Formats: sequence, structure tokens, C-alpha cells
Amino acid sequence: GAVVSQHPSWVICKSGTSVKIECRSLDFQATTMFWYRQFPKQSLMLMATSNEGSKATYEQGVEKDKFLINHASLTLSTLTVTSAHPEDSSFYICSARVRDLQGKTQYFGPGTRLLVL
Amino acid sequence: GQNIDQPTEMTATEGAIVQINCTYQTSGFNGLFWYQQHAGEAPTFLSYNVLDGLEEKGRFSSFLSRSKGYSYLLLKELQMKDSASYLCAVNPTGEYQLIWGAGTKLIIKP
Repeated sequence: GAVVSQHPSWVICKSGTSVKIECRSLDFQATTMFWYRQFPKQSLMLMATSNEGSKATYEQGVEKDKFLINHASLTLSTLTVTSAHPEDSSFYICSARVRDLQGKTQYFGPGTRLLVL
Repeated sequence: GQNIDQPTEMTATEGAIVQINCTYQTSGFNGLFWYQQHAGEAPTFLSYNVLDGLEEKGRFSSFLSRSKGYSYLLLKELQMKDSASYLCAVNPTGEYQLIWGAGTKLIIKP
């Protein structure tokens, strides 16, 4: 399957700081990437759809000014959590869509665990 | 509305067989995915069904009935490493976004 990487895998930061998370497709081009958030013992929650060369599409209830998404190339999307607060502590996972024999399969990065103190 | 239901938790014995069910009510249907997620890790792709019937892939099989809005994931010869959450997801529109179930936590006992 396709390989998606995320960096960093772990972030601990102070309240009020901004954190940038990178998501890269390593062996394919991804015109569309997705950003998810997952709280403990809960399922994935889609935050936004990142489109290369255009503005991201945010899900209802997700603040676009707080979660900045940039998809500047076909292999890189970044999520910046601005002025992070303890309630933003979560597991952030990106995925990229691949048009393969299985249809439009999403392949996930390994995730970034964010802890805001 | 869009809704996907799966059991919250299941327990099975090593070496046995377990079936994890998923029912869905979505505005459209363009495929159903099963993903495995180990604790603390991101999901990994297991299977995809778009036509009715059974898809077998090693110890894992996935079944789909579109008329019933129903799928199951069948795991055979269970191993301790199969302890994980199993997520059912539906592509309702043929586009990019998936509707996700809450996941089924599978506990394997020796």
C-alpha cells in the first residue's frame, strides 16, 4: 500500500504556543489529504479536507483560524494548531486518498500525539 | 442522516473465529472499508467491498449485503496480535470523505 508519513510523532508544548504537524505522501502524489482528530476511546473525527493548491474544507465545529491547513504541494500538507490549549491535546492523524483497485482507499500516517500543558 | 453501527467491544479466544458486524444507513453507497487500529497507532487498511458477497484475504474476510445495509469482518485463527479496534467506514458519495463507525474493540484471550 501507499506510504504516508507524519512528523513529529510526539509533541509536548506549553499552552498558548503553536504547533505544526507535517503529513507527507512518500511514494505517490496526493491531491487530497484529510486531517482527523481522535480522543481516547473514541473514533476518528474528520477535521478538514486538504486540497492541493486551494483552501481546505473544514467540518462543522472546527475553527479554521485555529487549525490552519496548508497543502502547498502534491506530497505535503501541514496542520498548524495555533495558540494551543490543553483541550487541544489529542491524537492527530492525516490520511491521503489513493485511487487504486480498491477504489478510493485512504492510507493513514502514523499519527501525532499532542499534549498541551 | 448518516449512521454506522458496530458493537462497542467483543471478546474472543486465541485460535477461534470472530465476526464483527457493521450496519449502515447512509445517503448513498460507494464502498465499505474495514480498518484495524491498534492502541496508540493510526488505522491500517484491511478490506474494501463495493459489491455484494464475500472477499477473502488470508485470515480476514469481509462480507457485504447492500440491500440490508450490512457488512461483517470475519477473523479466523485468532492471534493475540489481533487485539485491536476494528473500524467500519462507508464512502457514501464516491468522493473522498468517509463516514466512520465508532469502532469495535476486540479483546483476544489466551
